[in-house]
Amino acid sequence: AQTVTQSQPEMSVQEAETVTLSCTYDTSESNYYLFWYKQPPSRQMILVIRQEAYKQQNATENRFSVNFQKAAKSFSLKISDSQLGDTAMYFCAFGGGSQGNLIFGKGTKLSVKP
Amino acid sequence: ETGVTQSPTHLIKTRGQQVTLRCSSQSGHNTVSWYQQALGQGPQFIFQYYREEENGRGNFPPRFSGLQFPNYSSELNVNALELDDSALYLCASSLGLAGYEQYFGPGTRLTVT
Repeated sequence: AQTVTQSQPEMSVQEAETVTLSCTYDTSESNYYLFWYKQPPSRQMILVIRQEAYKQQNATENRFSVNFQKAAKSFSLKISDSQLGDTAMYFCAFGGGSQGNLIFGKGTKLSVKP
Repeated sequence: ETGVTQSPTHLIKTRGQQVTLRCSSQSGHNTVSWYQQALGQGPQFIFQYYREEENGRGNFPPRFSGLQFPNYSSELNVNALELDDSALYLCASSLGLAGYEQYFGPGTRLTVT
């Protein structure tokens, strides 16, 4: 069975600085996807970035980038130039297998301070 | 492009009652997944529907059931509500069988008293 672990329950960062959120996963699948979702206090889950396991190049979306280490089963999210609007819960999610479901970690609560 | 919508926003029910939650998928998406998110936790997979058929199911009892309609909208039904069913229920839509890039609605907050 697949598992996703986020070891940082809470983090804080100063506005304009860089922060990295950690995620590790376990799977026996060879073909899978990894995602980072953001859930602000308004509670709507927003897709931040995705990574296909077969791609060696790390995904980037504007200020958001990932460090995907397939052998280590690690998938961290780097947020550059942090903004107050980045304050939210961040969930790492694994997608693979035939059921089509996502498996989520427990989340990291990120606070961006002015 | 219309995003995922859910109704109602909030709901309060009594233990033992039944509830129906509704979801409209994003335009162009034919797959709907339902998740339960307890307070302070990540979402847990309930089930997924693809073209009106259940494609997969998580570790939830049979009193959690669902439907998907020809327009790809979906319902989640929960019978014999228990206090532990209190949670945020999230619907996500995606494209294709086992579609992993999922887009979520705003959720329905269910409180069981």
